[in-house]
Amino acid sequence: GAVVSQHPSWVICKSGTSVKIECRSLDFQATTMFWYRQFPKQSLMLMATSNEGSKATYEQGVEKDKFLINHASLTLSTLTVTSAHPEDSSFYICSARRRVRDETTRNEQFFGPGTRLTVL
Amino acid sequence: AQSVTQLDSHVSVSEGTPVLLRCNYSSSYSPSLFWYVQHPNKGLQLLLKYTSAATLVKGINGFEAEFKKSETSFHLTKPSAHMSDAAEYFCVVSESTKGRRALTFGSGTRLQVQP
Repeated sequence: GAVVSQHPSWVICKSGTSVKIECRSLDFQATTMFWYRQFPKQSLMLMATSNEGSKATYEQGVEKDKFLINHASLTLSTLTVTSAHPEDSSFYICSARRRVRDETTRNEQFFGPGTRLTVL
Repeated sequence: AQSVTQLDSHVSVSEGTPVLLRCNYSSSYSPSLFWYVQHPNKGLQLLLKYTSAATLVKGINGFEAEFKKSETSFHLTKPSAHMSDAAEYFCVVSESTKGRRALTFGSGTRLQVQP
């Protein structure tokens, strides 16, 4: 159980276009979803946290108008990179946290396989 | 504030020899600690987690880690490395009292396994 999928797994787009990435929790309800980006040979950096039915909370330095996050249901969150530029090329990873069942699972997140975005 | 430091960016071992990946953390509250593994162009897989139960935590694929509060460490070990263990490993901390607080990742350690 606790499987998270992302679609697409990779995407190439032209500069100036917008790209939408989907993150789905396949077998559980995700009260919170997180979006990370990872540059080559670097660690994951949190971009934003989204709770179902409310606005996303963005980390410092992340442009909310650039990276639009929608968490319309307990199983789906989307990240839209608007007017993408080459510097937005990165590996985007989402994770999901399910309803807390007990203290031992409170902080556990389940990660998607990632989406590689290349902006030409 | 929480943070995590992975002391080695690269570790190289021979197949069949022990693995030690070092991690130190700082946290204002009782932390939850995790080790994740990432194979090239893949997502993250949870190896093991510590959440204030037993200090010696056993994970998948023969890995284990010991939580040492006095040393603020959570080093990852494995008695005998396999070629398939070659990957990037991340030590992660999360403060349990922070409701929406996400995970804080270490910078990662790349493990190479020589034949």
